[in-house]
Amino acid sequence: DAKTTQPPSMDCAEGRAANLPCNHSTISGNEYVYWYRQIHSQGPQYIIHGLKNNETNEMASLIITEDRKSSTLILPHATLRDTAVYYCIVRVRDNAGNMLTFGGGTRLMVKP
Amino acid sequence: DAGVIQSPRHEVTEMGQEVTLRCKPISGHDYLFWYRQTMMRGLELLIYFNNNVPIDDSGMPEDRFSAKMPNASFSTLKIQPSEPRDSAVYFCASSFLRPTDTQYFGPGTRLTVL
Repeated sequence: DAKTTQPPSMDCAEGRAANLPCNHSTISGNEYVYWYRQIHSQGPQYIIHGLKNNETNEMASLIITEDRKSSTLILPHATLRDTAVYYCIVRVRDNAGNMLTFGGGTRLMVKP
Repeated sequence: DAGVIQSPRHEVTEMGQEVTLRCKPISGHDYLFWYRQTMMRGLELLIYFNNNVPIDDSGMPEDRFSAKMPNASFSTLKIQPSEPRDSAVYFCASSFLRPTDTQYFGPGTRLTVL
């Protein structure tokens, strides 16, 4: 599986956009980019995933570069409740033998 | 749907005792996963089931750990005998269809072994 690199921590002002980067320079053509987050004392929560097109849902937007070697998760209007550890995971979606492997993630602190 | 349900939420036990953690997956999901999270090792996959059958248990740390899924709505993770280094938060997750589709996590069980 492609390895991901994320900054260990980031700060964001409440109400501003939070842009969380992820590098996955060894990603393969059939590997998807997944984002999960874990709020303190809770289980991880799925946010969004994509293959090569940009994706948007009610929680966030995912921007994947054209060469697919990096991506950015965007929380358009961060709130204090978005303070969490955000995990970027690269996985083959159709291979039944491959699971989610969580790295260190980015600890996002949203400040008032 | 109530989501993935885990019990107990907190467990404190003494070294050498048997510990049983329980999980009820989301109805209709056919994959179930057990994870362990510690400060040192982060979030690790222990074992996963497909249609109640264990598929990959390579993450189970030792023979002291065992997991079962007797039916589609219930799974257990047992540690016997427990040791202080087993102290961690144990999460159960379930997903529909393929295992790499969206996984829904339970609230976790915080285990402390004294």
